[in-house]
Amino acid sequence: AQRVTQPEKLLSVFKGAPVELKCNYSYSGSPELFWYVQYSRQRLQLLLRHISRESIKGFTADLNKGETSFHLKKPFAQEEDSAMYYCALSINSGGSNYKLTFGKGTLLTVNP
Amino acid sequence: DVKVTQSSRYLVKRTGEKVFLECVQDMDHENMFWYRQDPGLGLRLIYFSYDVKMKEKGDIPEGYSVSREKKERFSLILESASTNQTSMYLCASSFRRVRVLGYTFGSGTRLTVV
Repeated sequence: AQRVTQPEKLLSVFKGAPVELKCNYSYSGSPELFWYVQYSRQRLQLLLRHISRESIKGFTADLNKGETSFHLKKPFAQEEDSAMYYCALSINSGGSNYKLTFGKGTLLTVNP
Repeated sequence: DVKVTQSSRYLVKRTGEKVFLECVQDMDHENMFWYRQDPGLGLRLIYFSYDVKMKEKGDIPEGYSVSREKKERFSLILESASTNQTSMYLCASSFRRVRVLGYTFGSGTRLTVV
């Protein structure tokens, strides 16, 4: 079964420390993965997608097919990074149609 | 900029009421989705639609139905609201190839059933 696992519900780091939010997936097809972020009182928004191999707000994520992981990393956390982060997997639901399945989320708190 | 608009930010309804949550997108997206967001449970898919008048059940469709009469509008209906349907409801839309571009979300409707 397709599944996205984010093992940490809560993650707390100090400003300037490195941060890694873990995401593991199980999917029999070719995976497409995303990270979404929700800041306090804001809508859920796309942070980055693995296919773009981009760095957004200093965050990067590498797809590791061997370990079936897509961990989100940032070398120096900032207080404004405090938010809820969701990992998502694109699943084929028939033909050319896809839908996203989400992990349960990790609440990141960056302390001053 | 893609906009996904949910008609209400907060709603309070009584048990047994029929509740309509509306979602409108303005970028000609084929796909539309309804999720509910609960602490510790993440986002769970209720229903989705790939085209007008088409709908598919998600992971937790019980107690819900949907309507998509126009491409830009996707309505979630709680036939008889119950307290366990108190939640944040998120609408999202995407082009057919969500595989590449991902979703755009609305700001959510926080529904309280009393």
